[in-house]
Amino acid sequence: KQEVTQIPAALSVPEGENLVLNCSFTDSAIYNLQWFRQDPGKGLTSLLLIQSSQREQTSGRLNASLDKSSGRSTLYIAASQPGDSATYLCAASFGNEKLTFGTGTRLTIIP
Amino acid sequence: GAVVSQHPSWVICKSGTSVKIECRSLDFQATTMFWYRQFPKQSLMLMATSNEGSKATYEQGVEKDKFLINHASLTLSTLTVTSAHPEDSSFYICSATYRGSEQFFGPGTRLTVL
Repeated sequence: KQEVTQIPAALSVPEGENLVLNCSFTDSAIYNLQWFRQDPGKGLTSLLLIQSSQREQTSGRLNASLDKSSGRSTLYIAASQPGDSATYLCAASFGNEKLTFGTGTRLTIIP
Repeated sequence: GAVVSQHPSWVICKSGTSVKIECRSLDFQATTMFWYRQFPKQSLMLMATSNEGSKATYEQGVEKDKFLINHASLTLSTLTVTSAHPEDSSFYICSATYRGSEQFFGPGTRLTVL
């Protein structure tokens, strides 16, 4: 069974710090991996999409990496801000158009 | 970027009634649409996959007679929760894709069944 896991479930860091969110998947035959942000009671905002042929993608203060051999992806957030507080979800596609979502990490940036 | 809308954004209904949720791709033709359910503080769980003009494919454990999905056109899919009960209260999110491209997500619909 293809599973996606995110640890920790919750994370609090002081404003200004750099941080890393982790995502693990059980099947190395991954097609692509996507990171989303979800604010309370809202839908999903796509942050970064990494294709299986890529190792990383960058957008502003965000950098996502993909290591298929170890079954891991990380989302790096530089110079964190209170507005970054949200739940971050990773989701993997294993080639059949379906997305398997991780359990999410609830991030709180402390002013 | 591609835009997907959902209507309504929230709905409250009495137990036993049916509720219809619409998902529309506004600026592209969606060959496939997905329906997800999200309970509080949990992740998204895929309910079903629908392709335009064909029957939806439901995930294991999802009752197809309870959650009716119609994908009548390349821009519209509907989810009808029939005979809704309080345990069906949840956040329902749709997404749309064109020929295996990136999935674009709607803003979600909050369903509360009294």
